[in-house]
Amino acid sequence: SNSVKQTGQITVSEGASVTMNCTYTSTGYPTLFWYVEYPSKPLQLLQRETMENSKNFGGGNIKDKNSPIVKYSVQVSDSAVYYCLSGCPNSKLTFGKGITLSVRP
Amino acid sequence: EAGVAQSPRYKIIEKRQSVAFWCNPISGHATLYWYQQILGQGPKLLIQFQNNGVVDDSQLPKDRFSAERLKGVDSTLKIQPAKLEDSAVYLCASSLDSGYGYTFGSGTRLTVV
Repeated sequence: SNSVKQTGQITVSEGASVTMNCTYTSTGYPTLFWYVEYPSKPLQLLQRETMENSKNFGGGNIKDKNSPIVKYSVQVSDSAVYYCLSGCPNSKLTFGKGITLSVRP
Repeated sequence: EAGVAQSPRYKIIEKRQSVAFWCNPISGHATLYWYQQILGQGPKLLIQFQNNGVVDDSQLPKDRFSAERLKGVDSTLKIQPAKLEDSAVYLCASSLDSGYGYTFGSGTRLTVV
């Protein structure tokens, strides 16, 4: 079965770099997605990682693998909820609970 | 390209009333999903359609929730009767191929009082 784990909240100052982790477990060859949710806006795709273009290729059973997203020189406008999703072809995507990023001016 | 359209944006109803949400996916997207997002939580899949057939409805509370996708395009999600715990944002998403991700609508925020 698939599962995705994300930590809850990160607060940084403007201009900092921030790494948001996503730990996933999958029985197949999942594609990893990062989506961002700004207030009152639809979820937007940020990043997509497939097994073909990642270092994870080679296993059919993945346990607690980390697929982070890094944002450099963040601005206040980057404050949002960032979701990691894991999914195998033609199956549903599994959402993490999301990371709330707060950027202080 | 036009996005996924949802209506209404907001809805407030009393418990035990009925409510329906509408979704128009991106043209050509065969797969359509309905998600429930309770405040502070990640979205939870309610139902997945492939064209007008149901692929996965394992987490749909079928005693009160129903969904249809006639003609394989638009979809309607209905709750009858609503409970307080149904208060959430209901997201619709569509995809051409799940390997490329989903396009999400803006959602319908339901408040049950």
